[in-house]
Amino acid sequence: DAKTTQPPSMDCAEGRAANLPCNHSTISGNEYVYWYRQIHSQGPQYIIHGLKNNETNEMASLIITEDRKSSTLILPHATLRDTAVYYCIVRVSGNTGKLIFGQGTTLQVKP
Amino acid sequence: SQTIHQWPATLVQPVGSPLSLECTVEGTSNPNLYWYRQAAGRGLQLLFYSVGIGQISSEVPQNLSASRPQDRQFILSSKKLLLSDSGFYLCAWFFGSARNTEAFFGQGTRLTVV
Repeated sequence: DAKTTQPPSMDCAEGRAANLPCNHSTISGNEYVYWYRQIHSQGPQYIIHGLKNNETNEMASLIITEDRKSSTLILPHATLRDTAVYYCIVRVSGNTGKLIFGQGTTLQVKP
Repeated sequence: SQTIHQWPATLVQPVGSPLSLECTVEGTSNPNLYWYRQAAGRGLQLLFYSVGIGQISSEVPQNLSASRPQDRQFILSSKKLLLSDSGFYLCAWFFGSARNTEAFFGQGTRLTVV
């Protein structure tokens, strides 16, 4: 079972920031939070990941709460091409490296 | 650079026929490899993963099997396909360390069982 919960869908206006929440209340101390997105009929695309500090790259920012029980992915200026299903994943520790996907959040960016 | 190849892109097979989907990776050695399935309108379900040659772990009971005959080759098979095996199958490579920055996914195979 997935170790994260996300809202099933969200809308965002083009050009505005999209803030996608994720709860991972049972996360362990050595588990990372990963975000991927999947555009229709394509394989998932990596966005960003973090352990406890906030992270930023050219695609997005990741804000992790101090207790690490939740996080928020921020797309600073959403475009129509950001319409996709966004998955928040807690990386299972150990050598297996499994990525367990939940249902994700369908983000619809509207003009 | 690391790449992952998966084929075929689309496949239409009759019920009861066999299946073989192949996935190969380049630019890495001893990768952890994964097979996922996505039914229409559903999320990604992990089917199998492998941490090395001949080592296969199954996540869910099903009509499918997987094999790892070579370090960079991962095969998904079925002896007799069911209608419920239809879906979008994705192969992925993810290095076995949480510090790694990303997973690589193949382009997927859309299987329709008729």
